Amino acid sequence: EAGVAQSPRYKIIEKRQSVAFWCNPISGHATLYWYQQILGQGPKLLIQFQNNGVVDDSQLPKDRFSAERLKGVDSTLKIQPAKLEDSAVYLCASSYDRAVLGNSPLHFGNGTRLTVT
Amino acid sequence: SQQGEEDPQALSIQEGENATMNCSYKTSINNLQWYRQNSGRGLVHLILIRSNEREKHSGRLRVTLDTSKKSSSLLITASRAADTASYFCAQKLVFGQGTRLTINP
Repeated sequence: EAGVAQSPRYKIIEKRQSVAFWCNPISGHATLYWYQQILGQGPKLLIQFQNNGVVDDSQLPKDRFSAERLKGVDSTLKIQPAKLEDSAVYLCASSYDRAVLGNSPLHFGNGTRLTVT
Repeated sequence: SQQGEEDPQALSIQEGENATMNCSYKTSINNLQWYRQNSGRGLVHLILIRSNEREKHSGRLRVTLDTSKKSSSLLITASRAADTASYFCAQKLVFGQGTRLTINP
């Protein structure tokens, strides 16, 4: 099966600019996640979608971050305006069902490395 | 905050030796999962162990779970250079800080 696709692979922007990341999950996976991974740390969950509805966005900085999953397939994550501390790898993952129940492993893309200067 | 905490933060061993990484967590679990991350790549799922299981094997990987101590361990036997990566435990979608494993040839 094709894996989780993410683009772009790398992005360099200046602070206060905006940026968007795109994710295409594994076909048939109902649940989609965006994680932020700062260098040297573990991934931190930003938002979880079940089909096209938000399940958990409690750790998403909503003053600057937004995400959507139109038609329950592809998803975009946007940052506007970016801050220096947003420099990180943004990972998209998908799972067959709601992994909060612990029944399915997460399948990750290779991420987008964002550098804010 | 991270629920799982791995120990050690970094581990360097010779090829052929066994590597053991530990994970402690704070809340009750349904299961615990281990992932591997190669440099510059996404995470890859290794093993899921359920709360009613004590040990699970997959190839050269062995995972144990002690719910009374809220801890789990990942053992990699007969390590290879290709095992060089960061290893993370995760429960309820929350990942630990990871153990960076280096296998020296």
